[in-house]
Amino acid sequence: GENVEQHPSTLSVQEGDSAVIKCTYSDSASNYFPWYKQELGKRPQLIIDIRSNVGEKKDQRIAVTLNKTAKHFSLHITETQPEDSAVYFCAASRGNYKLSFGAGTTVTVRA
Amino acid sequence: SAVISQKPSRDICQRGTSLTIQCQVDSQVTMMFWYRQQPGQSLTLIATANQGSEATYESGFVIDKFPISRPNLTFSTLTVSNMSPEDSSIYLCSVVRNTGELFFGEGSRLTVL
Repeated sequence: GENVEQHPSTLSVQEGDSAVIKCTYSDSASNYFPWYKQELGKRPQLIIDIRSNVGEKKDQRIAVTLNKTAKHFSLHITETQPEDSAVYFCAASRGNYKLSFGAGTTVTVRA
Repeated sequence: SAVISQKPSRDICQRGTSLTIQCQVDSQVTMMFWYRQQPGQSLTLIATANQGSEATYESGFVIDKFPISRPNLTFSTLTVSNMSPEDSSIYLCSVVRNTGELFFGEGSRLTVL
């Protein structure tokens, strides 16, 4: 089955700086890569996703890049704010929405 | 867009008992899944809830332990059977919205003593 590795496990950044989280996947048939944000005690919420037919997608301060050849994708958050503090999960699937999740990254934005 | 209601939101259970979690969606959805999130951990897919037929379980999960029902396109239940402390987790119902997004319910937090 699919194996998704996520790094780093924790990330502390100064407010206003950028944060980057990287994930690798093992199944070359995976074609859908969402990112979820989970605040303490809350449900995971989709923040951005990318499909294998594009290499990059951006939504305001958030961007995701995908390298299919190397089987890795990354989340970039620019101009970080305290409300960006949360656990972020990457995931991968073959397009059937059966998601394999990474272990998560705890992001702390220091004011 | 679909809104998911899960019941109970949390419960404390005794070892050896079983608990059924309900998931109600406010519109018909084709694809519905159950995930588990153990304390401080990531999410793991338990099974796909299939309408009118047996659920499809992922490796490491079996029907005897996690029986699932899905009588229609808006409702599903997950039962955690013969619970042990290792079953203490958040159980999340999820559906695919018409936007193509996998949307999660608020989850049911189970603590097994």
